Amino acid sequence: NAGVTQTPKFQVLKTGQSMTLQCAQDMNHEYMSWYRQDPGMGLRLIHYSVGAGITDQGEVPNGYNVSRSTTEDFPLRLLSAAPSQTSVYFCASTQGAGGYTFGSGTRLTVV
Amino acid sequence: AQRVTQPEKLLSVFKGAPVELKCNYSYSGSPELFWYVQYSRQRLQLLLRHISRESIKGFTADLNKGETSFHLKKPFAQEEDSAMYYCALRPSSNTGKLIFGQGTTLQVKP
Repeated sequence: NAGVTQTPKFQVLKTGQSMTLQCAQDMNHEYMSWYRQDPGMGLRLIHYSVGAGITDQGEVPNGYNVSRSTTEDFPLRLLSAAPSQTSVYFCASTQGAGGYTFGSGTRLTVV
Repeated sequence: AQRVTQPEKLLSVFKGAPVELKCNYSYSGSPELFWYVQYSRQRLQLLLRHISRESIKGFTADLNKGETSFHLKKPFAQEEDSAMYYCALRPSSNTGKLIFGQGTTLQVKP
């Protein structure tokens, strides 16, 4: 039981490049979310999903895209990377009531 | 508006001193409230849920609906408690949204 797995752990992108951050969970959780963590700002919700095929925007969705084709996977796509997207990204999942399980994070630098 | 406020960016105490990390929330309904802890460069871990009313690693938190607060307390701080602490609010159980405060860094000095 791996929990929530995020790949890659580190990534450096050039401005304008696109990439996908992967997130997979093996707990059959319905709910999954993506957050970005920035100093002094806590964690801010980017996108979330309440089940396969259903996604919605969070607080800071601009520049990011998501899809949920299966219960297990919830990839986050950066369409055209900008320096403002330099951050640590966390994926999390939960099954209804109860706390979220977080992945170990992806540290992204956009130059 | 749904909001979580942690007024202190940094809380520094000596080992053995009591600790209180403040959390206030703004929400019109009945939220679920959580405390998460993040040790240096690691993933966030669930510390407490207000529903379970349990004590983890000596920490407790009581939901005060009148003051809309969910402060985290520990009577005697340990050096290993040094970490970033986040208070979070979940508006309802059928949503994937978890709203975080800005976080408080707890530094326990020897």
